Amino acid sequence: QVQLVQSGAEVKKPGASVKVSCKASGYTFTSYYMHWVRQAPGQGLEWMGIINPSGGSTSYAQKFQGRVTMTRDTSTSTVYMELSSLRSEDTAVYYCARGGDIVVVTAPPDYWGQGTLVTVSS
Amino acid sequence: QSVLTQPPSASGTPGQRVTISCSGSSSNIGSNYVYWYQQLPGTAPKLLIYRNNQRPSGVPDRFSGSKSGTSASLAISGLRSEDEADYYCAAWDDSLSGPGVVFGGGTKLTVL
Repeated sequence: QVQLVQSGAEVKKPGASVKVSCKASGYTFTSYYMHWVRQAPGQGLEWMGIINPSGGSTSYAQKFQGRVTMTRDTSTSTVYMELSSLRSEDTAVYYCARGGDIVVVTAPPDYWGQGTLVTVSS
Repeated sequence: QSVLTQPPSASGTPGQRVTISCSGSSSNIGSNYVYWYQQLPGTAPKLLIYRNNQRPSGVPDRFSGSKSGTSASLAISGLRSEDEADYYCAAWDDSLSGPGVVFGGGTKLTVL
């Protein structure tokens, strides 16, 4: 069965960076895109970007351009999301979520990770 | 302000049928598939409907989706207490300002 297991909760100070990992299993890692979505406390879902685990190409939401970097390690079937210059408004649960197969970049997610709470506080 | 528009709340009594609407534009719902998610408190979203009206295996047929033009809707029939959750619609957006997935603001469903 498809499983996405994310790294644990993080507490960061303003201005710092955070790197969240997402290990995939139960399917061919390089055959499906991976999205990153975040959810601030009590708020809705916000799309951050997408990575092609096969070639490593990425596309980021305009809001996060310049602050977010998505990478992957095919040897461990793991994707990473690093967000820099953190501010209090970045406090949220960050989800990785599997997208469509490699020929369908436009598919929203199907399977989701359990989420990683990132708290930004001085 | 979310790109897709959903009512913030909906409610119904057990056994009733409720619908949740999702309104978009030609660059998202009008030209791409709509997906629906259920999010129970403290948990990750779960896929309910994909490609406008398809149910993943394991999702009860009480849940159904439809799309017309730039709007979509989720219907839940035979409402049950365990359906009390937040529901989100989503679609790919082909906007020139930055393609990507857009979500509705979410609808909190209360089972009275």
